Amino acid sequence: EVQLVESGGGLVQPGGSLRLSCAASGFTVSSNYMSWVRQAPGKGLEWVSVIYSGGSTYYADSVKGRFTISRDNSKNTLYLQMNSLRAEDTAVYYCARSEPPFGEFHFDYWGQGTLVTVSS
Amino acid sequence: QSALTQPASVSGSPGQSITISCTGTSSDVGGYNYVSWYQQHPGKAPKLMIYDVSKRPSGVSNRFSGSKSGNTASLTISGLQAEDEADYYCCSYAGSSTYVVFGGGTKLTVL
Repeated sequence: EVQLVESGGGLVQPGGSLRLSCAASGFTVSSNYMSWVRQAPGKGLEWVSVIYSGGSTYYADSVKGRFTISRDNSKNTLYLQMNSLRAEDTAVYYCARSEPPFGEFHFDYWGQGTLVTVSS
Repeated sequence: QSALTQPASVSGSPGQSITISCTGTSSDVGGYNYVSWYQQHPGKAPKLMIYDVSKRPSGVSNRFSGSKSGNTASLTISGLQAEDEADYYCCSYAGSSTYVVFGGGTKLTVL
């Protein structure tokens, strides 16, 4: 059974840092495209970042230069390092899977989400 | 402002059909057959309902269908049921560096 479990969210001050984790089971993270998608309170979904199976990474303009996506193949875990956090980064952060070779561009499994609150 | 435009809300009575539109550009919806739709109930994670414009994942009711014409994609739900009341988001591939863009979401109310 495919499962994604996020952790690492919490309250952080503006300008601070946080690292989110997404532990996967039932499939291999490195063989898939893995994304972070966030949802601000009462707002819609926003794609944040993706890491392709080959290792290429891409970011939304809103987080480029501040966030870094990575994975640990030995732990089958996805990460999101978030630096220079701003109030507008406050959101529930979901990790989500896209499965190549025919499912690269949609998300078939999602985690339950972890809440990040940026406030002084 | 979201990259894809959806109506903020739609409503229908049980048994009726509704359609939610999702308008983008030739750089996303119109340029690729990679539109997907997600259902989200309050406090829950999104659930994939339609992918590649019109394909249904295993386990999703055939009351849900998708289509596309030009830069606009649509999600149709037939035979509305109370449990269909949720937020619905469209999503489209938008090129290798942009990856995907979402719509602003549509709240479906079953009257």
